[in-house]
Amino acid sequence: ETGVTQSPTHLIKTRGQQVTLRCSSQSGHNTVSWYQQALGQGPQFIFQYYREEENGRGNFPPRFSGLQFPNYSSELNVNALELDDSALYLCASSLVYGYTFGSGTRLTVV
Amino acid sequence: RKEVEQDPGPFNVPEGATVAFNCTYSNSASQSFFWYRQDCRKEPKLLMSVYSSGNEDGRFTAQLNRASQYISLLIRDSKLSDSATYLCAGQTGANNLFFGTGTRLTVIP
Repeated sequence: ETGVTQSPTHLIKTRGQQVTLRCSSQSGHNTVSWYQQALGQGPQFIFQYYREEENGRGNFPPRFSGLQFPNYSSELNVNALELDDSALYLCASSLVYGYTFGSGTRLTVV
Repeated sequence: RKEVEQDPGPFNVPEGATVAFNCTYSNSASQSFFWYRQDCRKEPKLLMSVYSSGNEDGRFTAQLNRASQYISLLIRDSKLSDSATYLCAGQTGANNLFFGTGTRLTVIP
């Protein structure tokens, strides 16, 4: 059974650019959630996808968007990057209860 | 007000000590609670689910108090390998988790 995998592991972008982060969910898990974790903070919920539909969203602006594909993998897209977007972005997949996290993508915006 | 409030610490304890962490939550509709462990620059990993009846896993005991809306984690006989950040999280239904800021624990030889 494969776990949750994320790519890339590290990324450096310039303010104003766009970025796409990718996540492959654990086998059989149909729900994917994305979290942003700034340094010294707990993970903050961005949004969740269930069977390719957005199923809840946290307090993030519309420039944060996502997709889920038929194989339940997912993308997080961030437009017009700001310096404060620098964080660890975590993907978590689940079937009913209990989440398995990927190792994250560390994004630095300069 | 944050959904989950947690003392960020840090907690520095000697090996063998007993240490307790508490979290309070604001959403009384929250149904499930968890403790996660996060090592430096790594992803959170589920440590324990938390139930009203309390649950124990070796040196770790978790407890939920719905009347006072707090959850706790007790670590007995602390080991050096317990050094990490401990995150509490609440969940409403099958939806997203709400995390606290995490409590940093360092176990000292």
